Amino acid sequence: SQQGEEDPQALSIQEGENATMNCSYKTSINNLQWYRQNSGRGLVHLILIRSNEREKHSGRLRVTLDTSKKSSSLLITASRAADTASYFCATDAVPNAGNMLTFGGGTRLMVKP
Amino acid sequence: GAGVSQSPSNKVTEKGKDVELRCDPISGHTALYWYRQSLGQGLEFLIYFQGNSAPDKSGLPSDRFSAERTGGSVSTLTIQRTQQEDSAVYLCASSPTRNTIYFGEGSWLTVV
Repeated sequence: SQQGEEDPQALSIQEGENATMNCSYKTSINNLQWYRQNSGRGLVHLILIRSNEREKHSGRLRVTLDTSKKSSSLLITASRAADTASYFCATDAVPNAGNMLTFGGGTRLMVKP
Repeated sequence: GAGVSQSPSNKVTEKGKDVELRCDPISGHTALYWYRQSLGQGLEFLIYFQGNSAPDKSGLPSDRFSAERTGGSVSTLTIQRTQQEDSAVYLCASSPTRNTIYFGEGSWLTVV
């Protein structure tokens, strides 16, 4: 079973609006990461937030982490058509024998021009 | 190249045939992963290599699937007697640390 579950599964917004995606997970984690995937190809790392952090920013991206609720959110502000992609959260769980990241099912974001 | 390289990009094979998918990780990355992604779905962990340690094969779905990593670098994922449900994108990734992993563009496998 997947460690992370994204919500919503699909999101459609207009350019300029903000997009918020949520991720819930099941076990304690070392860190949580967000990745982006265009057209079913390779994933690209966006941002990492450690278990002792609550919020992190990178450009138009804002990630929050609530370890008490085992949830994270990814906010994309002032969205652009080029932000259209699938977004996945991935967790580095504790205990973890290696570097395995467990991915959620993803949120498919469509930004309409 | 600078990134993770996978080949072939696309493979169409007949049911029952064997296929080999290759992954060239980023030079110096000790960790290598294989994931599988079915259409519109999330990533399913298959196998993980870390240095000279025994690989974590816990995600391989059946004994038709195997993988090896030669010389701590290139990895080959082999699927024997392919079935239609094996159709998916097979993604390879490598990592130097416990954190960010870097993905290749994937190999699209279609079993007809």
